Amino acid sequence: QKEVEQDPGPLSVPEGAIVSLNCTYSNSAFQYFMWYRQYSRKGPELLMYTYSSGNKEDGRFTAQVDKSSKYISLFIRDSQPSDSATYLCAMSQGNNRKLIWGLGTSLAVNP
Amino acid sequence: EAGVTQSPTHLIKTRGQQATLRCSPISGHTSVYWYQQALGLGLQFLLWYDEGEERNRGNFPPRFSGRQFPNYSSELNVNALELEDSALYLCASRFPGGGGETQYFGPGTRLLVL
Repeated sequence: QKEVEQDPGPLSVPEGAIVSLNCTYSNSAFQYFMWYRQYSRKGPELLMYTYSSGNKEDGRFTAQVDKSSKYISLFIRDSQPSDSATYLCAMSQGNNRKLIWGLGTSLAVNP
Repeated sequence: EAGVTQSPTHLIKTRGQQATLRCSPISGHTSVYWYQQALGLGLQFLLWYDEGEERNRGNFPPRFSGRQFPNYSSELNVNALELEDSALYLCASRFPGGGGETQYFGPGTRLLVL
């Protein structure tokens, strides 16, 4: 079993839809959780960063961490065609441990 | 503030040759990470340098090596290139100290081995 599981999609939604992206993990020691967005042929860019459990909101994006279920989510409200990209989750135990990455979910938002 | 920069943007080599990829981290960042992103395989961790030392290494053969210079820039060398080395090579940097686990990525170097 991989440490981090992420459905690769592809996910296709109409413009304006609410998008839900998810990752599950097996290592209960993970404390730092990140979502990155990667446009085609570009490097990943950090979207959201959460420490431990709870929710974090930034504009149209909300990140949720449920450590009891070992499950993290990224919600995108009022999705736009410019949100079309691959979304990668990443997590770490901290203390200079390396990041563990999901494979990424490909999202297409159709006008 | 300038982000992470990588050079070259594209590199074409033939089997058996050597490739050298370069990375300059964000100013003030001392840690540099290298990743390989091949089609369908996601981000594969290659190497981590901090303060000039190799701190961790992924499951790659020894022909993947690198170093970090006193100005914290870094170089990735791939010897005896194989066709399956064709991928996007990404460099990321991180601010030193605890708590800040986030990595900031450069645009990558796309390596094609013919």
